[in-house]
This record gives sequence, structure tokens and C-alpha cells, in this order.
Amino acid sequence: LAKTTQPISMDSYEGQEVNITCSHNNIATNDYITWYQQFPSQGPRFIIQGYKTKVTNEVASLFIPADRKSSTLSLPRVSLSDTAVYYCLVGERGGGADGLTFGKGTHLIIQP
Amino acid sequence: GAVVSQHPSRVICKSGTSVKIECRSLDFQATTMFWYRQFPKKSLMLMATSNEGSKATYEQGVEKDKFLINHASLTLSTLTVTSAHPEDSSFYICSARGPFLAGNEQFFGPGTRLTVL
Repeated sequence: LAKTTQPISMDSYEGQEVNITCSHNNIATNDYITWYQQFPSQGPRFIIQGYKTKVTNEVASLFIPADRKSSTLSLPRVSLSDTAVYYCLVGERGGGADGLTFGKGTHLIIQP
Repeated sequence: GAVVSQHPSRVICKSGTSVKIECRSLDFQATTMFWYRQFPKKSLMLMATSNEGSKATYEQGVEKDKFLINHASLTLSTLTVTSAHPEDSSFYICSARGPFLAGNEQFFGPGTRLTVL
């Protein structure tokens, strides 16, 4: 499984756009990039998944450069409720036959 | 769709007792379920993979005799922490994956907080 590196923590303010970058230099050809969000004492929630270029859904966008060695999760106009830990995972779509390997994640703190 | 529930949401027990945690996929059939453990301010750690009708596969360092997993149906997996001790206190989270879910994604339950006194 490709190892991922992301900032331990980030701060921002309500209404701002937040970009969290994840490095995954050893990503394999059939690997996807998936982001999860976790609030305290809750299970992770799937946010977005992509393979290349750009993916957008109702909550976020995911930007993946051509070399796929990194990816950026973009959260538009964050609110206080976006304070959470965000995990970047790289691997076969859905984790393949195996469970998911979570890194340390990025603790995002949104201030008023 | 793709909702996963866990029961109980929290449990407090005395040292030496056994605790059973249920994980259910409510609106899909889960051929595979996973169990994770998360200590305070730490990331999720995969404990075991549970396939319906077969024995669970445990990660290195996880005692299979202590953490009994039963995946008796396509919608239910149970984790039993046997003879629990204070060091087993943790947040236990299951995830489920069905064969026909879009993207073959895993969907997580809300977690169970276990406190062993």
C-alpha cells in the first residue's frame, strides 16, 4: 500500500476555502485516492474519491496532478462544523480485498 | 443508502467480562466487514477482516482468541471482546462493503466506545 503524508493540523476561518494536500509518491497504477472525514467519537465518513485530474461532488473537490504523486482536497467556504480529522488513503478502489490503512490524518480546525 | 449501524454505542463493563458488539448493514448485503480499533487521538487500526460464512482474518498482533468475530449473515457481524481488561478500552468501529456498491467502497458504522473498569 502506498504511504501517504499529510499535514498533522491546519487552521482556517469560516467562509474560507481550505486545501489539504496529501503526498503519495509510491502510488500504484491501479490505486485510487480516497478522502474520509471523521468527527470525534464517530466513524469515518467518505468524502470523495478520484483517480486523476479533478473530481467534484456536493461537498468537496479533489485535484490530482498528472503524475498522481499528490492530491489536494478542497473544501469550499468552510464552516465551524467542518472541524474534523481528514484522512487521505491510497489503494485499490474500496480497499480491494483488504481493510483500509489509515495514516495520522489532518486535524482541521475552523475558527469563527 | 449504504447505512451501517453498531450496537451498543457505548458500553462500560468490569474487568474479566465479555462484551459483544454488533455491526449491521441496514440496506445492503455486506460480503465483507472490517473491524477497526481507535485509541484516543490516534488513527484507526485494522483489527480483522470478516467474510460471511468463513473465518475472520486477523491482522498481526491481534489475538483471535480474545477478539472473536462472527459473520453469520450478509447483514451482521459481531465482535466479542473476551475477558476484557482496561487496556482493551477503546473505540471500536466496523465497516462494511457490498458486492454491488458503487466504487466498491467501505461504509463505516458510528463506532462503539468500550470502557473496561
